[in-house]
Amino acid sequence: DQQVKQNSPSLSVQEGRISILNCDYTNSMFDYFLWYKKYPAEGPTFLISISSIKDKNEDGRFTVFLNKSAKHLSLHIVPSQPGDSAVYFCAAPRTGANNLFFGTGTRLTVIP
Amino acid sequence: DSGVTQTPKHLITATGQRVTLRCSPRSGDLSVYWYQQSLDQGLQFLIQYYNGEERAKGNILERFSAQQFPDLHSELNLSSLELGDSALYFCASSRGSGAFYEQYFGPGTRLTVT
Repeated sequence: DQQVKQNSPSLSVQEGRISILNCDYTNSMFDYFLWYKKYPAEGPTFLISISSIKDKNEDGRFTVFLNKSAKHLSLHIVPSQPGDSAVYFCAAPRTGANNLFFGTGTRLTVIP
Repeated sequence: DSGVTQTPKHLITATGQRVTLRCSPRSGDLSVYWYQQSLDQGLQFLIQYYNGEERAKGNILERFSAQQFPDLHSELNLSSLELGDSALYFCASSRGSGAFYEQYFGPGTRLTVT
């Protein structure tokens, strides 16, 4: 039961351009969403979040957009840097709890 | 460095065996979560403990069990291991148990069952 889906397993972007990572969810009860970034041999690290009462949250080069009617969120990275190359997971907490549903991840490669 | 430690980093064992994975949360964190990441899969939530008590259960097999000790470290016990149990096992910790507490992940334990 994959309640959070990332349909693009990989994405390659030139340095300096925009990276757009997409995520879809099926559970309309989700009210909070997170993006995690994972480097090889490390655990995921929190990147940015958004509450369902907002449609956009920005933190430096990272912006997350939420479209509740489409049950879709996206992470924009502008400008992309080689150090951004990692696997990105979107996640949402189970309603009324704190354990997270994770997508399968998108591997971003930023080409210098 | 998230402050969450997991041991061992790698574990290779045979089918039918039993292993124990250990997790030490960040100082001050009361919640511990266990997740499993199989090949090409997202992280699947297994179980959560808060201050020594089980708080939530996910897709954890009956062959698996966990506990959180008074010093707040946690152990995940996997028994009667099967080839399909080969995966990365992550532990995460958070200050509280509510939905808006950030989870900090350890580096994971890679389990290979042969």
